[in-house]
Amino acid sequence: DQQVKQNSPSLSVQEGRISILNCDYTNSMFDYFLWYKKYPAEGPTFLISISSIKDKNEDGRFTVFLNKSAKHLSLHIVPSQPGDSAVYFCAAIGFYGGSQGNLIFGKGTKLSVKP
Amino acid sequence: EADIYQTPRYLVIGTGKKITLECSQTMGHDKMYWYQQDPGMELHLIHYSYGVNSTEKGDLSSESTVSRIRTEHFPLTLESARPSHTSQYLCASRWSTEAFFGQGTRLTVV
Repeated sequence: DQQVKQNSPSLSVQEGRISILNCDYTNSMFDYFLWYKKYPAEGPTFLISISSIKDKNEDGRFTVFLNKSAKHLSLHIVPSQPGDSAVYFCAAIGFYGGSQGNLIFGKGTKLSVKP
Repeated sequence: EADIYQTPRYLVIGTGKKITLECSQTMGHDKMYWYQQDPGMELHLIHYSYGVNSTEKGDLSSESTVSRIRTEHFPLTLESARPSHTSQYLCASRWSTEAFFGQGTRLTVV
């Protein structure tokens, strides 16, 4: 049973426009949510995170929004650039019950930004 | 920039061979992880360690084994490689929230 879901396997946007990547989760006990970017044959690189007590976090062109009641988060990239073309993974981590926490990943969304 | 290294980057090996994938980090992180990822799929946690002499199996069953004799080193071993082990293996370490990943090892078993 997937706890972190990315239901769109791919997304194509025009350069300069907004990219919106979505992620849903089922476990209300998660404490943090993270977004990673991955190029083929490379390891994922950390992009941005958000605590479960916040609803928005911004870092340059990247903004993550969290809707706890809907168990939904989204990553907005504005403006999108061709170099943003990669697979984006949503991840979640929880420290409930004294756990030291492990990151749980979604299946990823492949973003293509066309010039 | 994260200092976590995996070797080799690419490996093609015959069925039945024993292999060890190396992972080292210089950040002094206690927590280290091995993930397995196939194209279009999520990263599956196969092993993790919260410190020296501590290792646990992850959510995805794996025939591999790991050891954690030193904080900085977390190697993964396959005693007898099979074509079903063909995948990308990603090592990561973590201090607080975010994990830092190595560049991965693309393993092909023929």
